[in-house]
Amino acid sequence: GAGVSQTPSNKVTEKGKYVELRCDPISGHTALYWYRQSLGQGPEFLIYFQGTGAADDSGLPNDRFFAVRPEGSVSTLKIQRTERGDSAVYLCASSRPKSGANVLTFGAGSRLTVL
Amino acid sequence: KNEVEQSPQNLTAQEGEFITINCSYSVGISALHWLQQHPGGGIVSLFMLSSGKKKHGRLIATINIQEKHSSLHITASHPRDSAVYICAVRSVSGGGADGLTFGKGTHLIIQP
Repeated sequence: GAGVSQTPSNKVTEKGKYVELRCDPISGHTALYWYRQSLGQGPEFLIYFQGTGAADDSGLPNDRFFAVRPEGSVSTLKIQRTERGDSAVYLCASSRPKSGANVLTFGAGSRLTVL
Repeated sequence: KNEVEQSPQNLTAQEGEFITINCSYSVGISALHWLQQHPGGGIVSLFMLSSGKKKHGRLIATINIQEKHSSLHITASHPRDSAVYICAVRSVSGGGADGLTFGKGTHLIIQP
């Protein structure tokens, strides 16, 4: 597609539920990033994929968070046993193959609210 | 871990004023990004810098690698420039996180 697409744009769920957030990057972008942005804060790095593999998952806050990118394109961020503190906007970004620093293209984000 | 500090946190100015937003970081980087985030909107990448200066329209971004400092300037500011401007850095790789480290953003309001 022309841009990075994220779905759903808004998700309201109850504490303890399981949530999946999807990111469809720009075609041909092999690098994909997930970030989380809480109200009034800058984005916080979660995980980075280069192709199908998670090159760096050091930002995932705990083992309730998991992300996959099985075919090297679409990625899904999975959150188990959601907590109220998980409420945030989850941002996805993609860039061209890693060769030095590349410009990132961000999606519009998925706003997660855990009640 | 790289610490990214932005100043000011909030800035209100009149239309037409020259705007400067500053970003400093603590550890050597391979690149620095300036991003723009409109209320309720997504994030748009304005610049990616590794040295020197870049200009796009009324926006100018500079970086001083030795001083670990970057500035974003807006000339002839306009109300549509009102947004949050975020500085993000990619640290020199060394086994650490490959993701960006973001500043908290500068909330800019340009009044007509």
